[in-house]
Amino acid sequence: GQNIDQPTEMTATEGAIVQINCTYQTSGFNGLFWYQQHAGEAPTFLSYNVLDGLEEKGRFSSFLSRSKGYSYLLLKELQMKDSASYLCAVMDSNYQLIWGAGTKLIIKP
Amino acid sequence: IAGITQAPTSQILAAGRRMTLRCTQDMRHNAMYWYRQDLGLGLRLIHYSNTAGTTGKGEVPDGYSVSRANTDDFPLTLASAVPSQTSVYFCASSDSITDRYTFGSGTRLTVV
Repeated sequence: GQNIDQPTEMTATEGAIVQINCTYQTSGFNGLFWYQQHAGEAPTFLSYNVLDGLEEKGRFSSFLSRSKGYSYLLLKELQMKDSASYLCAVMDSNYQLIWGAGTKLIIKP
Repeated sequence: IAGITQAPTSQILAAGRRMTLRCTQDMRHNAMYWYRQDLGLGLRLIHYSNTAGTTGKGEVPDGYSVSRANTDDFPLTLASAVPSQTSVYFCASSDSITDRYTFGSGTRLTVV
C-alpha cells in the first residue's frame, strides 16, 4: 500500500530552527508537496519538490531525496505564527495526492 | 478575491437526511477535489474531477456523490447521512492535475 510517515507532534522554541521529516512509499512519484494548516483553517501551499535537492524560500526550505523516499521541511528563525500543522503529500503515478497525517508544530516562547 | 467558496461553514445534520455541500471557484481551474479530514488521519480524497463534465472516485467515495456541470461548481451530496460522516470537508482546486492545490475554508459537518 501507499504510505506517508511524519511525526505526530514536535515542539520548538521561538527563534530556533526545526526540521520536520517525511518518509514515503508510493506507487510512482510525481512530486512532493508541503502544506501549512493553522488550527481550524484550510491547508495552504508551502513548497514543491520534484528533483533531488534543497529548495529555499525565505525562512522555509524543503529537501528531497527520491532514492531514499525522504523529504524534510526546515523552518528557520521560528515565530509564534509558525505554530501549525505541516502536511506532507506525494503525487503518485496516477497523479493522485497521497497525504500524511500531518505534524503539529508547537512553538514556545 | 479569487479563490474557493464553500457553504455552509458548519452544519448539524440528523442521520438519514440528505445534504449538499457547495463549492465554487473563480480561478477557472480545471481540476477540483473533495476531501474529508478527521483527527489523526491525513486528508482523504472522496471524489475528484479533472475537468468539467467528468468525475472520479477517490479513496472513500461510499455514501457520497458529486457532479461537475461547469468549471466553477463542484457540489458534494450525502444521500443519507450517517454519524461516521461527521468530519471537516475541504474542497480544493488546481489548474492542472500536477499543480498545487488551493483549498476552500472547509465545512464542519456533524451528523447526529
